[in-house]
Amino acid sequence: IAGITQAPTSQILAAGRRMTLRCTQDMRHNAMYWYRQDLGLGLRLIHYSNTAGTTGKGEVPDGYSVSRANTDDFPLTLASAVPSQTSVYFCASSFGWDRPYNEQFFGPGTRLTVL
Amino acid sequence: AQSVTQLDSQVPVFEEAPVELRCNYSSSVSVYLFWYVQYPNQGLQLLLKYLSGSTLVKSINGFEAEFNKSQTSFHLRKPSVHISDTAEYFCAVSSNRDDKIIFGKGTRLHILP
Repeated sequence: IAGITQAPTSQILAAGRRMTLRCTQDMRHNAMYWYRQDLGLGLRLIHYSNTAGTTGKGEVPDGYSVSRANTDDFPLTLASAVPSQTSVYFCASSFGWDRPYNEQFFGPGTRLTVL
Repeated sequence: AQSVTQLDSQVPVFEEAPVELRCNYSSSVSVYLFWYVQYPNQGLQLLLKYLSGSTLVKSINGFEAEFNKSQTSFHLRKPSVHISDTAEYFCAVSSNRDDKIIFGKGTRLHILP
């Protein structure tokens, strides 16, 4: 693994189903983030984690949950998917919340379609 | 609170012509400024950043941006674009009082042959 990986690459999901998007980084970054990207709306922060064991809400957290059991993994769960959650989801990481000038590294994204 | 405004959602430009992508920010504290690039079907990657010091920062592929505190701007420029520059460009801001980066809505750069 080099950098950040996300799985799956794409997914079509029926409304009401539960879905977990996976994110793994091998850079030993403390901070991790989940964004959704929608046309005309740019990137919006869903949830973030400053360090393993802690999480926080971003701009659009409703309908999503996250966990950070260890440094490397930061899964995003949709408990009951709705069509408005159709989007491209990006995971990102950075060295740490106390160094905001450090760049964020992004994964390749997961394209999710909820029907 | 901080915010970022990218004034153009799309910018068409002919190949080998110059381009400027505009970015304005608002913040009550000192800021760090970034430009990220997203090539088609890829994630974002850092293009260049301003932390402190010289207000003109450059990337390895010919882009440059100038931090203008009085104008609260951080416009991105390139003197001669290539077809490979086709991408979406995001301006972003953070500060030493916030643990998150705020992204603009992005500008799509279309290179015309």
